[in-house]
Amino acid sequence: NAGVTQTPKFQVLKTGQSMTLQCAQDMNHEYMSWYRQDPGMGLRLIHYSVGAGITDQGEVPNGYNVSRSTTEDFPLRLLSAAPSQTSVYFCASGTGGPTEQYFGPGTRLTVT
Amino acid sequence: ILNVEQSPQSLHVQEGDSTNFTCSFPSSNFYALHWYRWETAKSPEALFVMTLNGDEKKKGRISATLNTKEGYSYLYIKGSQPEDSATYLCAVRGGTSYGKLTFGQGTILTVHP
Repeated sequence: NAGVTQTPKFQVLKTGQSMTLQCAQDMNHEYMSWYRQDPGMGLRLIHYSVGAGITDQGEVPNGYNVSRSTTEDFPLRLLSAAPSQTSVYFCASGTGGPTEQYFGPGTRLTVT
Repeated sequence: ILNVEQSPQSLHVQEGDSTNFTCSFPSSNFYALHWYRWETAKSPEALFVMTLNGDEKKKGRISATLNTKEGYSYLYIKGSQPEDSATYLCAVRGGTSYGKLTFGQGTILTVHP
């Protein structure tokens, strides 16, 4: 049982490049979400999903795309990277309801 | 977007001190409150999830209370140890069981030996 996995761990992009951050969970969780962590700003919700085929926007969705074709995977796409997207990205999953979310190890992204 | 506020922003205490932090949130449209502990270079780790007004949860030296009517939760640490040094995050799920989870900015605790 690997829990929540994220790849890559580190990534450097040039402005304008696109890439996909991968997130997978093996706990059969319906609820998955992406957060970004910036100094002094806690965790901010980018997008979330309550099940395969269902996604919705969080607080800071601009510049990011998501899809949820399977229960296990929830990739985050950066369409055209900008320096403002330099951050640490966390994926999390849970069953919804009054239960905890489990976080992945994070991806540190730098956009130059 | 829910407004979840935590105070203080940071706290320095001596080993053995007891301490507490506050999480404030809108009392309307509340479903659940989460507390997480987040150590540097690691992922946030869940401490408690609370839903009912008056809920109290305890794990070792750490405990939490919830007041949904006035919109606040307290996290207490009794007899702080250096290994308690971390960022403590509060998050609120609004509306329904699958509502968005909104995080506060966190309280950074440093426990000095």
